[in-house]
Amino acid sequence: EDQVTQSPEALRLQEGESSSLNCSYTVSGLRGLFWYRQDPGKGPEFLFTLYSAGEEKEKERLKATLTKKESFLHITAPKPEDSATYLCAVQASETSGSRLTFGEGTQLTVNP
Amino acid sequence: GAVVSQHPSWVICKSGTSVKIECRSLDFQATTMFWYRQFPKQSLMLMATSNEGSKATYEQGVEKDKFLINHASLTLSTLTVTSAHPEDSSFYICSARDTSGKNIQYFGAGTRLSVL
Repeated sequence: EDQVTQSPEALRLQEGESSSLNCSYTVSGLRGLFWYRQDPGKGPEFLFTLYSAGEEKEKERLKATLTKKESFLHITAPKPEDSATYLCAVQASETSGSRLTFGEGTQLTVNP
Repeated sequence: GAVVSQHPSWVICKSGTSVKIECRSLDFQATTMFWYRQFPKQSLMLMATSNEGSKATYEQGVEKDKFLINHASLTLSTLTVTSAHPEDSSFYICSARDTSGKNIQYFGAGTRLSVL
């Protein structure tokens, strides 16, 4: 069974204080790992997808990396508007229909 | 980026009535759409996979007669909660998978259902 574990559950940062969120996964053949951002009362917003170990993607203050067992979402010099829940999901290569298995998310709060 | 529209964003209904939620992919065709349910402070739980032109595939424990899914076109899937009860109150979110080969799911804004 595919499993995704995210840590920490919650993270509070001061504006400008860089940090990383972790996503550990167990999957029977990784087809893709996805990062989403979710604001309260909204649907998830797509950020990145990573397909193979060693791959990295960047977007503004965010950078996602992937190894064979985990992914990190690095946040550099965060701003209050980066406050949200960040969700990690995996798609197994043997899964039909492209279903995703989500982690529980990391709730990030950035204080001004 | 790809846009998925979900409507309504919020609905209140009486116990025993049915509610329909629409999910549309606005700028791409989606042969596969997904329906999720999310409880407060929890992650997304997949309810069913909706395939255009065929029957939906439901996850274990999800009642197919209670949560009716129709995917009649490449841009529209609907979820009907039949004979809704207070325990069906939740946040329902749809997603549509792009067909470009990247297998990215784009999500709607969600529907907050409150059953009185």
